[in-house]
Amino acid sequence: AQTVTQSQPEMSVQEAETVTLSCTYDTSESDYYLFWYKQPPSRQMILVIRQEAYKQQNATENRFSVNFQKAAKSFSLKISDSQLGDAAMYFCAYRSASGGYNKLIFGAGTRLAVHP
Amino acid sequence: GAVVSQHPSWVICKSGTSVKIECRSLDFQATTMFWYRQFPKQSLMLMATSNEGSKATYEQGVEKDKFLINHASLTLSTLTVTSAHPEDSSFYICSAPPRGTQPQHFGDGTRLSIL
Repeated sequence: AQTVTQSQPEMSVQEAETVTLSCTYDTSESDYYLFWYKQPPSRQMILVIRQEAYKQQNATENRFSVNFQKAAKSFSLKISDSQLGDAAMYFCAYRSASGGYNKLIFGAGTRLAVHP
Repeated sequence: GAVVSQHPSWVICKSGTSVKIECRSLDFQATTMFWYRQFPKQSLMLMATSNEGSKATYEQGVEKDKFLINHASLTLSTLTVTSAHPEDSSFYICSAPPRGTQPQHFGDGTRLSIL
């Protein structure tokens, strides 16, 4: 079975600084997707960034980028120029790419605080 | 873009009541929907996978008779918490993928409080 581990329950960053959230996963599959979701106090699930395992190039979305290390099964999220609105829970998630519609497996989450 | 609508957003009811939560895909057909539960300060845990026209697939440890799932159309899945008790109080959230490779779209969730 696949598992996702986020070892940082809480992180903090100063506004305008850079922070990296860690995520590791375990799987025997070769084809899968990895995601970072943001959950603000409203509890909406907001997709931040997505990575296909077959792509070597790290995904980027504006201030958000990932460091995807497939061999190490590591998928960290870097937030550059942090803003107060980035404060939220961040969840790393795994989804198999085989067999049609597949469930998301979430990590425990990292609560990010942004200080002015 | 694709949107998933979940209703109601907040329910408060007495112990023993049954509560129905609806999850609708607004501009796409969803043959599969997922139901998650999230306790305070915890992650989302998958409860069941809802399949249009067939029985739902429940995760280990989830009581099928307590959490009834019906996916009668390509745009609607419902979760009914039967004879709810205070320990069922939680945040329930549904999601659906527009197509197999596309990211899932989440509803806004339902906060269920059982008194």
